Amino acid sequence: AQSVTQLGSHVSVSEGALVLLRCNYSSSVPPYLFWYVQYPNQGLQLLLKYTSAATLVKGINGFEAEFKKSETSFHLTKPSAHMRDAAEYFCAVNSGGSNYKLTFGKGTLLTVNP
Amino acid sequence: ETGVTQTPRHLVMGMTNKKSLKCEQHLGHNAMYWYKQSAKKPLELMFVYNFKEQTENNSVPSRFSPECPNSSHLFLHLHTLQPEDSALYLCASSQAPGGGQETQYFGPGTRLLVL
Repeated sequence: AQSVTQLGSHVSVSEGALVLLRCNYSSSVPPYLFWYVQYPNQGLQLLLKYTSAATLVKGINGFEAEFKKSETSFHLTKPSAHMRDAAEYFCAVNSGGSNYKLTFGKGTLLTVNP
Repeated sequence: ETGVTQTPRHLVMGMTNKKSLKCEQHLGHNAMYWYKQSAKKPLELMFVYNFKEQTENNSVPSRFSPECPNSSHLFLHLHTLQPEDSALYLCASSQAPGGGQETQYFGPGTRLLVL
């Protein structure tokens, strides 16, 4: 079985501040991990994904995430928030093999204050 | 532009109506998915089609009926829905599922309101 927990349904930061969105996963095998972003009235867009090539993954729009097996975490960070980063962020896990299903977390709404 | 389009973008229907949602992908993918996104809940996978064959039905009520005539098109036929079916319905596509690292590309969704 696989599952995802996103700690904090709502995170608020000031423009220019560090963004940290937390994701912990549960998987019986080494997982593939994804971060998606959803802007208002839009579908989900891939930010980055971990596929075991490197533990530090860089994505679009200045975001990156680090896979930490010992902590079963895949937290998303960005050094300096922009107003345009305001959106909902979803972490997802896929344990691979014959199980091709993505399991999503409940999402974290990021608000950026001027 | 994600390469996955959905129509209509908004739909209001009564409980006795029949309507259909349409999804089209222009990415050359072989797998297509329907998800339901409700407030305060994780995305729920509804159906998966792989090379036009349904490979997953996640215990979805029969009032939702999917159809995949080819690898580029996916429909979701709706009939006698309930108010709790109101949600954002998202379509996605990917390369044929293999090891699990395939990226799913999402459409903008259809916002459905059942009265």
